[in-house]
Amino acid sequence: NAGVTQTPKFQVLKTGQSMTLQCAQDMNHEYMSWYRQDPGMGLRLIHYSVGAGITDQGEVPNGYNVSRSTTEDFPLRLLSAAPSQTSVYFCATSIGPDEKLFFGSGTQLSVL
Amino acid sequence: TQLLEQSPQFLSIQEGENLTVYCNSSSVFSSLQWYRQEPGEGPVLLVTVVTGGEVKKLKRLTFQFGDARKDSSLHITAAQPGDTGLYLCAGAGSSNTGKLIFGQGTTLQVKP
Repeated sequence: NAGVTQTPKFQVLKTGQSMTLQCAQDMNHEYMSWYRQDPGMGLRLIHYSVGAGITDQGEVPNGYNVSRSTTEDFPLRLLSAAPSQTSVYFCATSIGPDEKLFFGSGTQLSVL
Repeated sequence: TQLLEQSPQFLSIQEGENLTVYCNSSSVFSSLQWYRQEPGEGPVLLVTVVTGGEVKKLKRLTFQFGDARKDSSLHITAAQPGDTGLYLCAGAGSSNTGKLIFGQGTTLQVKP
């Protein structure tokens, strides 16, 4: 089993460009989430989903969109990238809300 | 808004020393998780504490949940270089919202 797979591993964007960070899981977990990690700020929740067709906002949702059409996939979209979105992004899954999180290996994004 | 404050933010010690990391909040959490993260990887769960006053041991690591479920500590005995990493606490609110709140993290360096 691959667990939680994030792609790409690294990405450089110019301000205003759009892109999608991919997250796929083969653990049959209902709960999926996206976090961003910045130095000295820990992990901050961007969006989360408790099941296919259901998404909700976390602490820092502005500038990001998500959708959950299948149990396995939870892509994160940046519609118009800004330098403030330079960060490391982690996708995480669990069997349910507030349960043990299983993280992907992260995507390092730089917006110039 | 629930917040988790971790201290210290950075800790550099010699092999064999003991240390304690603290995770404090003014809010009550239904459970608290501790993760360790190594460079280039996602966090990995170490332990979950659920009951006020609970103590859990994982080899040389001892985790305690405060009686009022507002704080937690991680104590490492006889630290080893393999303990080096970023330690994160994460709290779950009482309403099972799916919004785990992370502390800022404690970066631990254990020198041989």
